[in-house]
Order: sequence, then structure tokens, then C-alpha cells
Amino acid sequence: AQSVTQLGSHVSVSEGALVLLRCNYSSSVPPYLFWYVQYPNQGLQLLLKYTSAATLVKGINGFEAEFKKSETSFHLTKPSAHMSDAAEYFCAVREGSGNTGKLIFGQGTTLQVKP
Amino acid sequence: KAGVTQTPRYLIKTRGQQVTLSCSPISGHRSVSWYQQTPGQGLQFLFEYFSETQRNKGNFPGRFSGRQFSNSRSEMNVSTLELGDSALYLCASSLEGSSDGYTFGSGTRLTVV
Repeated sequence: AQSVTQLGSHVSVSEGALVLLRCNYSSSVPPYLFWYVQYPNQGLQLLLKYTSAATLVKGINGFEAEFKKSETSFHLTKPSAHMSDAAEYFCAVREGSGNTGKLIFGQGTTLQVKP
Repeated sequence: KAGVTQTPRYLIKTRGQQVTLSCSPISGHRSVSWYQQTPGQGLQFLFEYFSETQRNKGNFPGRFSGRQFSNSRSEMNVSTLELGDSALYLCASSLEGSSDGYTFGSGTRLTVV
């Protein structure tokens, strides 16, 4: 069965610093991977997705993630943090193959951005 | 275009009651999935509907049920509410539920007292 592990439930960076949020997955099939962001009292917003095309995926708001099969990782990065990036971030893997809408989520990482 | 709409946004119910939550997907999306989000368990998959058929189901008791209508709108029902059912319930829609991204609604915050 697929699973997702997000290393670090809380990450704190200074404004302008590099953001690195870690995600490792376990999948028995080529994975479809996603990063979502959640602001307080809101739903999840898709940042980016990996669907077996380019291994470096660019998303919205300056975020990108690199799929590394050998490390089973899909870490999220942003070169320069903004105050508005403070939120909770979730990594997810689609379970199984074929047309299914079931996502397996990591436990989430809260990003704090200090001025 | 309009996003995924969930109603109501907030709900307070008493233990033992039942509740129905509604989700209207993005126009043209036929796959609708439901998730429960709690501080302790995180985001957990409830079920997925595609063209009015339940395609997948998570590990939740039978008190949790859902359905999808011909216009792709979906409802989920929780009967005999327990305090532990207090959560944010999120609905997500996609074109086919495969490689497309899943677009989430803002959720319904259910509080059981």
C-alpha cells in the first residue's frame, strides 16, 4: 500500500530564506504525487503535481519539487520565503493505478515564516 | 469558472443526530471524493464517486455514507453522530480522478456536541 511521510511537522524559516519541505513516499506502482497548501479555515489548494513526466515540477507561487525515484522523495522547495507562504503543506500520493480519486496524505508540515 | 462548493460551511449537531453535507463539483468534473480532516488523524479518505457509482471507499464505519447525483453533485451523510465525528469534511473533484489535480472545496466544519 502506498504511504507518505513528511519529515518535520513544523518548519520555521526567515523571510527571504530557502524553503525546504520534505516528503518521502512508498508506492508499488509509478506514483502520482501532489503537494497541497492549506491556509487557516480553508480547503486545500494544489501547488504542483508529478505525473511521470519531467522530474522537476514547477508549481504556483514560486514553488517547485523534484521527483527522485532512487530516494523515493518529492521534496518541495522555494528559493525565497514570503510571509504569505505561512500555511500548512501536505504531500500526497495517489493510491493504486488507473482512474481512482483516492489520495494518501502525509501528516502535514506547518511552515512558519519569520520577518 | 466556479470552484468546488461545499455547503454548509459550519454545522453544529448533537450526539445521536444525523447530518448531510453537500458538494457541487467544478462543472464538467465527474469524480467527487470526500475526506475527513482532524488534528489527530490528519486527512483521511472517506469515499469516491464517479458517474453516480461509488468507486472507492475508505476505512470508516457504515454510519458514513454518500451518493452522487446525475449532475455530479454529491452528498455525504453521517448517522448517529459521535463526538469523534467532529472534523473538517473536504470534498474534491476532478475530471477523471487520475492524473488530473484534485480541486478541493473550502470544507464543512462539523462540530458534534
